[in-house]
Amino acid sequence: NAGVTQTPKFQVLKTGQSMTLQCAQDMNHEYMSWYRQDPGMGLRLIHYSVGAGITDQGEVPNGYNVSRSTTEDFPLRLLSAAPSQTSVYFCASSYSGQGITGELFFGEGSRLTVL
Amino acid sequence: SQQGEEDPQALSIQEGENATMNCSYKTSINNLQWYRQNSGRGLVHLILIRSNEREKHSGRLRVTLDTSKKSSSLLITASRAADTASYFCATDGYSTLTFGKGTMLLVSP
Repeated sequence: NAGVTQTPKFQVLKTGQSMTLQCAQDMNHEYMSWYRQDPGMGLRLIHYSVGAGITDQGEVPNGYNVSRSTTEDFPLRLLSAAPSQTSVYFCASSYSGQGITGELFFGEGSRLTVL
Repeated sequence: SQQGEEDPQALSIQEGENATMNCSYKTSINNLQWYRQNSGRGLVHLILIRSNEREKHSGRLRVTLDTSKKSSSLLITASRAADTASYFCATDGYSTLTFGKGTMLLVSP
C-alpha cells in the first residue's frame, strides 16, 4: 500500500517554463488537495477536489491549474513558472467518509526551484 | 489567510521532559487537528479533536480544546529525541483545512 505518491521529488525550472507535479493515491480517497510550504508561512492550500470531475480553489490558486479525471490522480500544473513559485509542494488525500476536513494523508513532497 | 497560530515558534527541551505547544485560532471550527513533520518529510496526522470535545489522549499525546478561548494545546509527555520535529495545528472551518506556521521542537539526549 503506497499511500500518496508524488513525482518528481525535485525539479529545477527556468522562469516561464511549464510543468506538472503528479500526485496519485491508492486508498480510494475522494478528497485530494495541494498545499505549498514556504519558510515562515506554514502550509497554504492551492487547490482541492472533493471527487472526480470536481475541483475548487484554495487560498493561493493563481498560477496553478488542476484537474481530477480519476479518483486516484490529482496533477498540479504550473502554467508559466515564476521565482515566487519556488517552494515545497505537498499533495494530501482524505477518506470520503470524513468529508473534506478529516485526517489528511500526505505525500513526501516535491521540491521545486524556479530560476 | 492562516487560521491557527502556534506558540512558541521554537521549543528546546531535554529527553524525559514534557513539551507543551499551543494553537490559537480566530473563527468557529468543526474540529482541530495536530500534525507532525520530520525534517524533509511529509506531514503525519497525530490527533483530531472535535469542537464538542475538551480533551483527548493518544499514547504520550494529550490534546485540549477550549472553544471559548479559541485555543488548543498539545502536550507530549516524557519526550524522546525521536520527537524532534515541527508540529502544526490545523483547523477545519467547515470548508477546508487551514494550517498554522508550526512549532519546531528540539529534544536533546
